[in-house]
Amino acid sequence: GDSVTQTEGLVTLTKGLPVMLNCTYQTTYSPFLFWYVQHLNEAPKLLLKSSTDNKRTEHQGFYATLHKSSSSFHLQKSSVQLSDSALYFCALSDWGYNQGKLIFGQGTKLSIKP
Amino acid sequence: GGIITQTPKFLIGQEGQKLTLKCQQNFNHDTMYWYRQDSGKGLRLIYYSITENDLQKGDLSEGYDASREKKSSFSLTVTSAQKNEMAVFLCASSWDYEQYFGPGTRLTVL
Repeated sequence: GDSVTQTEGLVTLTKGLPVMLNCTYQTTYSPFLFWYVQHLNEAPKLLLKSSTDNKRTEHQGFYATLHKSSSSFHLQKSSVQLSDSALYFCALSDWGYNQGKLIFGQGTKLSIKP
Repeated sequence: GGIITQTPKFLIGQEGQKLTLKCQQNFNHDTMYWYRQDSGKGLRLIYYSITENDLQKGDLSEGYDASREKKSSFSLTVTSAQKNEMAVFLCASSWDYEQYFGPGTRLTVL
């Protein structure tokens, strides 16, 4: 079946450093990948999305590239800020096969220190 | 723009009690979802509905019922609350594969 794997449960970094949060997926259909961010006591919000192979997508300083050859959609930022502390979810949709359902990874908690 | 409203914001119940959570959206989206999120963890799909009066089970449907009587609303019932259960229940609606989430209902069972 379809799945999404986020290997890091917790990432702790000092402000100003770069970050990469890993996301790999498994599906036999054409993938649509998403990154959602959830700040403490708030609803998850869409950060990035992509269905185009090898094209970088960017938003709010974060960026990711869907690589179908390696089934990956890693989230990166060149310089993290204190406000980036949050829970980050990678999610997969299968172009209508799953009726619009999203399959979520377990999430990565990003904690930024001063 | 639109909004998803969830009521109540906080819900405290007793063991064995039947509890109902409500969700309203004004996006006019066809598909709506209920997720459970345990503290600091991932989202698990309980039920979803692709149109009015449709119900589809997710991975975590046991112990829950759902109802979609109108396009704009989707209710979730915990059929028998479990002692010491604590979780946040998130409602979402979707258009073009993008899901929009409500603020959640925080459940505590005493």
